Amino acid sequence: DARVTQTPRHKVTEMGQEVTMRCQPILGHNTVFWYRQTMMQGLELLAYFRNRAPLDDSGMPKDRFSAEMPDATLATLKIQPSEPRDSAVYFCASGLVLDTFPGEAFFGQGTRLTVV
Amino acid sequence: SQQGEEDPQALSIQEGENATMNCSYKTSINNLQWYRQNSGRGLVHLILIRSNEREKHSGRLRVTLDTSKKSSSLLITASRAADTASYFCATPPDTGRRALTFGSGTRLQVQP
Repeated sequence: DARVTQTPRHKVTEMGQEVTMRCQPILGHNTVFWYRQTMMQGLELLAYFRNRAPLDDSGMPKDRFSAEMPDATLATLKIQPSEPRDSAVYFCASGLVLDTFPGEAFFGQGTRLTVV
Repeated sequence: SQQGEEDPQALSIQEGENATMNCSYKTSINNLQWYRQNSGRGLVHLILIRSNEREKHSGRLRVTLDTSKKSSSLLITASRAADTASYFCATPPDTGRRALTFGSGTRLQVQP
């Protein structure tokens, strides 16, 4: 079964440290999304890429977050420096988007980040 | 910003009963999707309904879409304990954007 793979599944880090989350999208999908889920804010769209090019990262705090897609098999989300308010579950998803029609998104299992 | 909002926030029913969840959204859409999330897991796609469709079925799921009221409903018939999860509707936030935004979800508890 094709699936989106995220690593690590869990991460506990100290405030101020750099955190890198990785995602392997499903081969053949042209769009990769990063979402963050918290109890207070629900699911927030952070950024997304199409054909590896960043299309929108307006949901991300620009000063500390960065998202890249160095190749078709890897997307990364980096936080530097991390803060306790960044504690959340971060989801990567991939899908096929045709023109302006977002189709089904396939989600990874998430990275649960705790910043202490 | 969130485009869709689900109602109710939480729902508790007995096994065998039907569960209905509603979603309202703000702007025009070309499709609306429903997802399920089991505790501690990623979201799983359930069903997609296009803006020119009014109703769609998939197994025990029935989705309706009323674009004039900007609302959708998800009906799960003959619920099972395994249906216990959170259910989210998802829509593109603005016409032309290629990403989905999700509502706050309905937490469904099915009592055995």
